[in-house]
Amino acid sequence: AIQMTQSPASLSASVGDTVTISCRASEGIANDLGWYQQKPGTGPKVLICDASTLQSGVPSRFSGSGSGTDFTLTISSLQPEDFATYYCLQDYNFPYTFGQGTKVEI
Amino acid sequence: EVQLLESGGGLVQPGGSLRLSCAASGFTFDSYAMAWVRQTPSRGLEWVSTISTSGVSTYYADSVKGRFTISRDNSKNTVFLQMNSLRAEDTGVYYCAKGRGQIYGLDYWGRGTLVTVSS
Repeated sequence: AIQMTQSPASLSASVGDTVTISCRASEGIANDLGWYQQKPGTGPKVLICDASTLQSGVPSRFSGSGSGTDFTLTISSLQPEDFATYYCLQDYNFPYTFGQGTKVEI
Repeated sequence: EVQLLESGGGLVQPGGSLRLSCAASGFTFDSYAMAWVRQTPSRGLEWVSTISTSGVSTYYADSVKGRFTISRDNSKNTVFLQMNSLRAEDTGVYYCAKGRGQIYGLDYWGRGTLVTVSS
């Protein structure tokens, strides 16, 4: 199975900051990577598909980049509602695998 | 608006069975694959199974292969997960998720249903 290594595990930031989260695949996955946001008690919400395609309704302060093995999620001008846990997911092949998550805290 | 509503979770003894259901709305159900993903404190998010649009093709994680069965009823916009021979390590929140095509990808998720396997 493809291993997804996500970093950092947690970070502290302030409103207005720009934060970057990384995900590295153990082998090439083209651009078959998604980013998800999860808040306590809810299912993950899709932010970005295909490494860089912003899902409908997601604010433009979220952006994704990368292909092959290295991917990045950037949140510009962090807002109060952005404090949550973020996950990457490779859907290049089965079994799909997730990163371990990054908790963004105030 | 895409909505996915899971049901069927609960407390079951080791070796027992449960059947999860996921009622979908807000999209053309038979045009998209559907999947189940679970979340546990120890293992985080773990993909469990995917079923293609027609239901002909199914895919499973090694950890559940031979014990779990995914199916769908396109006339009722519902996907199921039959879970047999349950183990303590199957305990977690089970999410239904919509695919992005006929087989691959995930986008929208439900709120989840809790499965607890314990004596």
